[in-house]
Amino acid sequence: AQSVAQPEDQVNVAEGNPLTVKCTYSVSGNPYLFWYVQYPNRGLQFLLKYITGDNLVKGSYGFEAEFNKSQTSFHLKKPSALVSDSALYFCAVREKSFQKLVFGTGTRLLVSP
Amino acid sequence: KAGVTQTPRYLIKTRGQQVTLSCSPISGHRSVSWYQQTPGQGLQFLFEYFSETQRNKGNFPGRFSGRQFSNSRSEMNVSTLELGDSALYLCASSSEGGFSYEQYFGPGTRLTVT
Repeated sequence: AQSVAQPEDQVNVAEGNPLTVKCTYSVSGNPYLFWYVQYPNRGLQFLLKYITGDNLVKGSYGFEAEFNKSQTSFHLKKPSALVSDSALYFCAVREKSFQKLVFGTGTRLLVSP
Repeated sequence: KAGVTQTPRYLIKTRGQQVTLSCSPISGHRSVSWYQQTPGQGLQFLFEYFSETQRNKGNFPGRFSGRQFSNSRSEMNVSTLELGDSALYLCASSSEGGFSYEQYFGPGTRLTVT
């Protein structure tokens, strides 16, 4: 079965500093990987995806993610954090041949002014 | 384009009752998936519909069911509600059902069972 792990429940970073939210995955075959963000009382917003191609994927709101096959990781990054980036971030993997997304447990990002 | 819409946004029901939640996908999207989000279990896949057919189903009891209409709108139904069914129910749509396509989520329906 495919799975993702987000080892950090919470990440704290000061505004203007770079941020990293970690994600590792376990899949059979080539992975389809996604990052979503959830603000309070809202649904999930799509940030970016890795399907194939370049290992560095650029997404919405200045976020990017680096796919590393040897380390089975797909960490989310941003060069300069904003207070408004504070939210709950989910990494997800799509099961091959299914629309089902398997989500990690989520990482709460807190950006302090 | 308008995003995914879900109605109602909030719902309070009593144990034993049944409930129907509605989802309208983004225009042109034919795949609709449903997820349950709870603090304890996180985000869990319920089922996915494409062109009015259920393609995939998660590990939920038969009390949870769904359907999709010819205009791609979808409903999910939960019968004989239990306290543990209290959750945020999220609907997501995807274009054409292709597996490389991202899913776009609605704001969710928060169901409280008392």
